[in-house]
Amino acid sequence: EAGVAQSPRYKIIEKRQSVAFWCNPISGHATLYWYQQILGQGPKLLIQFQNNGVVDDSQLPKDRFSAERLKGVDSTLKIQPAKLEDSAVYLCASVWGLAGVTDTQYFGPGTRLTVL
Amino acid sequence: QKEVEQNSGPLSVPEGAIASLNCTYSDRVSQSFFWYRQYSGKSPELIMSIYSNGDKEDGRFTAQLNKASQYVSLLIRDSQPSDSATYLCAVSSGANNLFFGTGTRLTVIP
Repeated sequence: EAGVAQSPRYKIIEKRQSVAFWCNPISGHATLYWYQQILGQGPKLLIQFQNNGVVDDSQLPKDRFSAERLKGVDSTLKIQPAKLEDSAVYLCASVWGLAGVTDTQYFGPGTRLTVL
Repeated sequence: QKEVEQNSGPLSVPEGAIASLNCTYSDRVSQSFFWYRQYSGKSPELIMSIYSNGDKEDGRFTAQLNKASQYVSLLIRDSQPSDSATYLCAVSSGANNLFFGTGTRLTVIP
């Protein structure tokens, strides 16, 4: 079974530019998450989707970050405009079902963003 | 704000010793508790989950949960150099939104 796929793996941009990340979850997984992991910290949830609907985006900086999962499969996360403090690894994770408390989240390899 | 606290380490143990990793959490209604291992430059990998008070063993790993004290721990027996990584404690309630600690960096010295 293929794992969670993410691209690109690395991205370097200058501040105020825009960037987009792509995630393809494990086939059949209904729930998808985007996390931000700043160096030396644990992952922080940005947004959670169930199928193509948003469940939780309370920690998403909506003035600059946006995310969509239009067909309930793959997802994109966009930052516009980027700030220096957005430098981090952006992790995508997926869960088979509707995210019951015992369901395991499987993480993709992440996209490492550097904002100069 | 839900908080998950871990000692950031680094924690160094000799090969073959027991490594003990600790985690406390602030939200009393938390229901699920997870330990993830993260090698440098890699994504987190689930190694243990625990949902009820007591101990849960899986091979060389034992997770311990005490909900009254809001405390969860991970013991790694017979530590190996390949266990050297950052261990992330994660806590969940309700809709499986994970709240992570900052992680404890473990180094196993050959």
